[in-house]
Order: sequence, then C-alpha cells, then structure tokens
Amino acid sequence: QSVLTQPPSVSAAPGQKVTMSCSGSSSNIGNNYVSWYQQLPGKVPKLLIYDNYDRPSGIPDRFSGSKSGTSATLGITGLQTGDEADYYCATWDSSLSAVVFGGGTKLTVL
Amino acid sequence: EGQLVESGGVVEQPGGSLRLSCAASGFSFDDYTMHWVRQVPGKGLEWVGLITWDGASTNYADSVKGRFIISRDNSKNSLSLQMNSLTTEDTAFYYCAQDSGDLGRSYFDLWGRGTLVTVSS
Repeated sequence: QSVLTQPPSVSAAPGQKVTMSCSGSSSNIGNNYVSWYQQLPGKVPKLLIYDNYDRPSGIPDRFSGSKSGTSATLGITGLQTGDEADYYCATWDSSLSAVVFGGGTKLTVL
Repeated sequence: EGQLVESGGVVEQPGGSLRLSCAASGFSFDDYTMHWVRQVPGKGLEWVGLITWDGASTNYADSVKGRFIISRDNSKNSLSLQMNSLTTEDTAFYYCAQDSGDLGRSYFDLWGRGTLVTVSS
C-alpha cells in the first residue's frame, strides 16, 4: 500500500485532456514539493514535473502540474498515443524521512 | 550529458548478499545526492534510499533498513548498494538516480537503465 494514492488507470481520446490525482497527507504532499514521472512501456522513468509545477527543459507545455493542500494533479492536454504510459507522483515524507512514490496511474489513449 | 550505468545484478539465493554499483559520468558527481529506486517487474516504483553528496548522511526505506547500505566514492564517481539478508521480495530492477533538488525536496532528472536482481532458490 503506497503512502501516496493514485488512481490505477485513466483514459481519454486523442486530442483530449486528462488529469490524474495524487493524494497524500500533511507529512508529505502538504508540506513538500511534488514531482511527476512518466514511464513508457519498457523504458526508464522520466522526470515530467518537479517542484509541484515546473517542467524540465524539453518537456512540452502539454504537461502541467498543480498542488492544493495534500493533493497534487498532473494534467496532459492534446493527448497523443505516445503518451500511453505509467505516471508516478513522488515527494518527500517528513515523518518517514523518506521519498515516497504513488502506486502509479496507467494512462490509456483510446 | 550525464549518464548513470548500474551493474551487479544477478540471481542470488535467499539470505545471500549482493553489491550493486552505479558508475556516473558527464556531470559533477560529488555535487549531488544520489538515490536507489527499485521496481518489481510489472509493478510500481519503490524508493530504496539515498546518500548525500559527501556521504555523510544516508536514509533508507523501512523495507530495507538494517539490511542495505548505500555508499559512494566520489574519487571514482561511483555509487554502491550493499544488499544483505536478501529475500524474494527484493527481486526487482534497481535504478540509481541523481537528485537535482535538495534534501527534502528531491526529484530525479537522471536515471540509469537499471540492473535486475533476482532472489530465488
């Protein structure tokens, strides 16, 4: 059971927008920065969002991050079939003194 | 362009020990906190532990605390994970990752390709 809760799956049609949530508590998301990772099938995880909403260079602005209270959200607009992947949120947990990951959300682009 | 290359993954028996290595290149290794993250094939990511830039501080996931030890040799741009008292639940791909944030504000923008550890009798 992951400390951070993500929906197991989300789906949407090409060109549409999707959001996926990451729910935690005051010891993790509520007081620390959230990052998001994309893992394409058979590939290594890739950083999409850091510090709640910042994008590394090379990540298109179709990807966005936000945080409110003890929850964070990843949004993807203009969905492409190439966006089909597993998406993970992560943050520091001050009580555990550990990095914690969500269980991951599988995105299907129908 | 930074690169991380893990090695040392093998098949090991329960109760055994194993040492993984991660060779870093293309960046100032001693500027960064480094982490190990693992992933059971087909499952999610699990953080294993971290070591600060100078090796002075380490943190571990509860699942490996007391069994695994992270160390580094900045003179060799090398990170290590000593794994003891292995169980079948330690079977996973093990990734080393560079932390470009700060302690408490970690994020991983450079990952290795991973090395597979299989614990089986």
